[in-house]
Amino acid sequence: DAKTTQPTSMDCAEGRAANLPCNHSTISGNEYVYWYRQIHSQGPQYIIHGLKNNETNEMASLIITEDRKSSTLILPHATLRDTAVYYCIVRGEYGNKLVFGAGTILRVKS
Amino acid sequence: EAGVAQSPRYKIIEKRQSVAFWCNPISGHATLYWYQQILGQGPKLLIQFQNNGVVDDSQLPKDRFSAERLKGVDSTLKIQPAKLEDSAVYLCASSLVLVAYSTDTQYFGPGTRLTVL
Repeated sequence: DAKTTQPTSMDCAEGRAANLPCNHSTISGNEYVYWYRQIHSQGPQYIIHGLKNNETNEMASLIITEDRKSSTLILPHATLRDTAVYYCIVRGEYGNKLVFGAGTILRVKS
Repeated sequence: EAGVAQSPRYKIIEKRQSVAFWCNPISGHATLYWYQQILGQGPKLLIQFQNNGVVDDSQLPKDRFSAERLKGVDSTLKIQPAKLEDSAVYLCASSLVLVAYSTDTQYFGPGTRLTVL
């Protein structure tokens, strides 16, 4: 599975959009981009995933560049409860294995 | 829908002692995973079960760690004997997928925080 690169930490003002970048320059054609987050003292929580097209659900939007070498997770209106570690994971089409990096610590501030 | 249950939530032991963790996955989920998360790092997969069979245990330190899922439902992870470096959070996850090596969303439990003194 391809590796990902994420910033160590980011700050965001409450009510504003949080844009979390992820680089995955070695991604191959059948690999998906997954995002999970982990709030303090909890297990990781699935947010969203995509292959080529942009995706949106009730939690977030995922924007994948045309060359698929990078992506951005967007939390449209961040709240204090969104403070967490966010993991970007590239995952093969065949294989349920999740390989977590260190992730991005997102701090939402009032 | 009930989530993944784990117990205990916290455990403190002395090195060289043994410890066991229990996990009850979401009802109907065929696949169960155990992860180890050391402070400041992302979770690392230790073992994956498909029903009661092992799919991947390549990262499990088999000299001291063991896991079983006898009836294809709940699972236990054991460490014997524990070392200082085993201090970590042990996370259990489950997914619905019925066929090995297919992609599905994993749902995680709250974890068990182990401290080895």
